[in-house]
Amino acid sequence: QITLKESGPTLVKPTQTLTLTCTFSGFSVSTSGVGVGWIRQPPGKALEWLALIFWDDDKRYSSSLKSRLTITKDTSRNQVVLTMTSMDPADTATYYCAHTKFGELRFASWGQGTLVTVSS
Amino acid sequence: QSVLTQPPSVSGAPGQRVTISCTGSSSNIGAGYDVHWYQQLPGTAPKLLIYGNSNRPSGVPDRISGSKSGTTASLAITGLQAEDDADYYCQSYDNTLSGYVFGTGTKVTVL
Repeated sequence: QITLKESGPTLVKPTQTLTLTCTFSGFSVSTSGVGVGWIRQPPGKALEWLALIFWDDDKRYSSSLKSRLTITKDTSRNQVVLTMTSMDPADTATYYCAHTKFGELRFASWGQGTLVTVSS
Repeated sequence: QSVLTQPPSVSGAPGQRVTISCTGSSSNIGAGYDVHWYQQLPGTAPKLLIYGNSNRPSGVPDRISGSKSGTTASLAITGLQAEDDADYYCQSYDNTLSGYVFGTGTKVTVL
């Protein structure tokens, strides 16, 4: 059974850097074909894909946010970390991590999400 | 910001059939990329409902179906039930953006 859980601060100030951790079980990010992605959802709004990392360290980023995002993985800890710089109130959202497989282009299993509020 | 367009809301009485459209372009759905659908119940994470345009993961009832033609995909729910009251999102891949794209979302209300 695949499970994922997001963790990180619930409140960040404008201009600060956000660091979120996705801790998962039921799969390994070192297994060929496996990937973990991040998706966010502002309150009352649609989902937005942010970033994705695959087992071979191939990294993909949203073109509109690429300059602000970094995704990394820690295989030994079963974790994927997303950092987002220059946080703005418009970045207030629930952030989800999700499991995928190379070539499937979809997210089969999701974490419960974590709400991040950007405010001074 | 979403490149896939969905109607904001659809509604129906219990037992009725509703459909949700997802309109894209030649760089995503029209380019041949699969469309996937997610159901999001209030206060919960999205759940994969349909993958590869028309396939159901185990546990999803067969009264839920998906299809795709040209630059548009559709999700149909027949025999509408109270448990279908939720938000629904389509998702595909866009080769111009080189990334995953979601729809604008549709709220399904069971009257």
